[in-house]
Amino acid sequence: GAVVSQHPSWVICKSGTSVKIECRSLDFQATTMFWYRQFPKQSLMLMATSNEGSKATYEQGVEKDKFLINHASLTLSTLTVTSAHPEDSSFYICSSRGSSYNSPLHFGNGTRLTVT
Amino acid sequence: DAKTTQPPSMDCAEGRAANLPCNHSTISGNEYVYWYRQIHSQGPQYIIHGLKNNETNEMASLIITEDRKSSTLILPHATLRDTAVYYCIVRVLGSARQLTFGSGTQLTVLP
Repeated sequence: GAVVSQHPSWVICKSGTSVKIECRSLDFQATTMFWYRQFPKQSLMLMATSNEGSKATYEQGVEKDKFLINHASLTLSTLTVTSAHPEDSSFYICSSRGSSYNSPLHFGNGTRLTVT
Repeated sequence: DAKTTQPPSMDCAEGRAANLPCNHSTISGNEYVYWYRQIHSQGPQYIIHGLKNNETNEMASLIITEDRKSSTLILPHATLRDTAVYYCIVRVLGSARQLTFGSGTQLTVLP
């Protein structure tokens, strides 16, 4: 079945630095990928929709200049948290649908970001 | 996507069947019922989906009522590794849109 690989699984960075998270579709081409964020004891919240070859679509309240999304190929989308602050510490998860029309969405294993 | 309602938490003894209910009284005729689960500190895992017939796979069974206003996910022999938050989501098959997650049900399998 479809597999979505996310890297790194965890990262610790200093306040003010930038962090890049990669999301790859391993056995299918993903024209669309979704980026979610999850704070402790809360459900997943959609941050943005990543479209191959075009600009990402951001949800209300998500700063596009802070959370840079690049989807340059059909198998790779990246999320860069720029000038990270402690309040950006969260669990970031990507998702994509498999190659066939009725494939369910599959999720990466998430990236735990801690900003110190 | 139609709204769903799930109990916030449930306990189940190891080796017993876990039955997780979901209400989706406003479901439309072309919407499917999907179940995902999220084990702590992992991404959500797809479990099963169905339209109106009962479905079974290697992970679970899905029972949908005849009026389609509710469903039950059944884990036939729960193990400690099944402890997770279980999400019931209703959406159109083949939708290119994102999944919208509610609060889900925290299932705790007890030894």
